[in-house]
Amino acid sequence: AQSVTQPDIHITVSEGASLELRCNYSYGATPYLFWYVQSPGQGLQLLLKYFSGDTLVQGIKGFEAEFKRSQSSFNLRKPSVHWSDAAEYFCAVSAGGTSYGKLTFGQGTILTVHP
Amino acid sequence: EAQVTQNPRYLITVTGKKLTVTCSQNMNHEYMSWYRQDPGLGLRQIYYSMNVEVTDKGDVPEGYKVSRKEKRNFPLILESPSPNQTSLYFCASSRTGAAPRYEQYFGPGTRLTVT
Repeated sequence: AQSVTQPDIHITVSEGASLELRCNYSYGATPYLFWYVQSPGQGLQLLLKYFSGDTLVQGIKGFEAEFKRSQSSFNLRKPSVHWSDAAEYFCAVSAGGTSYGKLTFGQGTILTVHP
Repeated sequence: EAQVTQNPRYLITVTGKKLTVTCSQNMNHEYMSWYRQDPGLGLRQIYYSMNVEVTDKGDVPEGYKVSRKEKRNFPLILESPSPNQTSLYFCASSRTGAAPRYEQYFGPGTRLTVT
């Protein structure tokens, strides 16, 4: 069965600092990986996704993520964090086959940004 | 505007009183799904539907029912709600294809409290 682990429950950074959110996945086949962001009281918005090809993917709001098959990781990065980036971030892997489309989410990482 | 809508957004009810949370999408998506979000657990899939009249269980289906009579609508039914179903519920939809590579669009969420 697929699974996703986000080791950091809560991360605090200063505005302007760099950010890396960790994500490790377990999936037997080609992974389809996503990062979503959830602002307080809002639904989930897609930041970026990876299916194949270039292992460094660019997303919205200046985010990027790198897929590393050897480490089963898909870490999210941003070079300079803005106060508006404070939110909860979810990594997810999508299933195929009999569980087509099921997103398995990590537990989430809450990002706090200090001015 | 492409969107997934859910109603109601907030609901407080009592144990055993049947309720329905509606979900509608205007993107002509084949795939629709329900998730529940609980602190520390991320989002977990309840039910999903690949198309009209085709539904299947996700990871946590106990206590829930769904139906898909029209492509755009996918209501979630709690026939006898219990306090352990207090949660934040999200509906999502996406296109389908040979691989689960399409972004899922999420509704704004329904916060349910069962007393």
